[in-house]
Amino acid sequence: DIQMTQSPSSLSASVGDRVTITCRASQGISNYLAWYQQKPGKVPKLLIYAASTLQSGVPSRFSGSGSGTDFTLTISSLQPEDVATYYCQKYNSAPPTFGQGTRLEIK
Amino acid sequence: EVQLVESGGGLVQPGRSLRLSCAASGFTFDDYAMHWVRQAPGKGLEWVSGISWNSGSIGYADSVKGRFTISRDNAKNSLYLQMNSLRAEDTALYYCAKDINSGYDWPLFDYWGQGILVTVSS
Repeated sequence: DIQMTQSPSSLSASVGDRVTITCRASQGISNYLAWYQQKPGKVPKLLIYAASTLQSGVPSRFSGSGSGTDFTLTISSLQPEDVATYYCQKYNSAPPTFGQGTRLEIK
Repeated sequence: EVQLVESGGGLVQPGRSLRLSCAASGFTFDDYAMHWVRQAPGKGLEWVSGISWNSGSIGYADSVKGRFTISRDNAKNSLYLQMNSLRAEDTALYYCAKDINSGYDWPLFDYWGQGILVTVSS
C-alpha cells in the first residue's frame, strides 16, 4: 500500500504568518490528494481535493499544490480559528491512506 | 442538510461482537459510496471499510479484514458495520463518512458523522 508522510508533525506559528505543510506519497498518485482539517474535539472537514481544488465554503487563504509524490497545503495568513490537526489523504485507489497528521498551534 | 448519525457503540469485551449503524439523511443515499473511518484516542485517522452505492464493490483495511463486515440498506438509508472478534486495538471513535462519488474506487470523504465510541476492554 502507498504510504503518506507529512511534515512537520507539529508546528507553532503567529497570527498572520504564512504556513506550509507538506505531504509525500511513497508512490506517484497524480493529483489524487485531499487535505482535511480537524479542529480539537471536532469532526474532520474536507478542505481541498484534487491537490488544489478548494471545497465549497473553505476560506481562500487555504491553498494546495503538487502532483505525483510531493504536495503542500498553504495557509497564506494564519488565523486563530485555523488551530487544528491537518491530514492529507490519497485517493487514487483503495485503500485510501491518511498521513499521520500535522498539529498546528498559535504561537 | 446532510446528516450522518452513528449508533451502536459501547464497551465490549475482547473477542465479542458489536454492530454499528449509520442513519443518513439530507441526500440521495443510494447515489453515493459510504465508508467507516476510525480514530483511536489521541491518534490519527484510519480508513476501516468502504462500500459502493449498490454494494457491488467492498473493501477493508488489512487490520480488520476477516473480522468486520460492511453493508448497507438503501431502502432504509442506512450503513452498517458488523464487528466480530474485537480486539483492544479496535478501540476508537468510529466515523461514518459519505463519499463524493458513487463508486468505491476513488475514496474521498465530504461529510462525516459525529462518531461513535467503541471501547474493547475486559
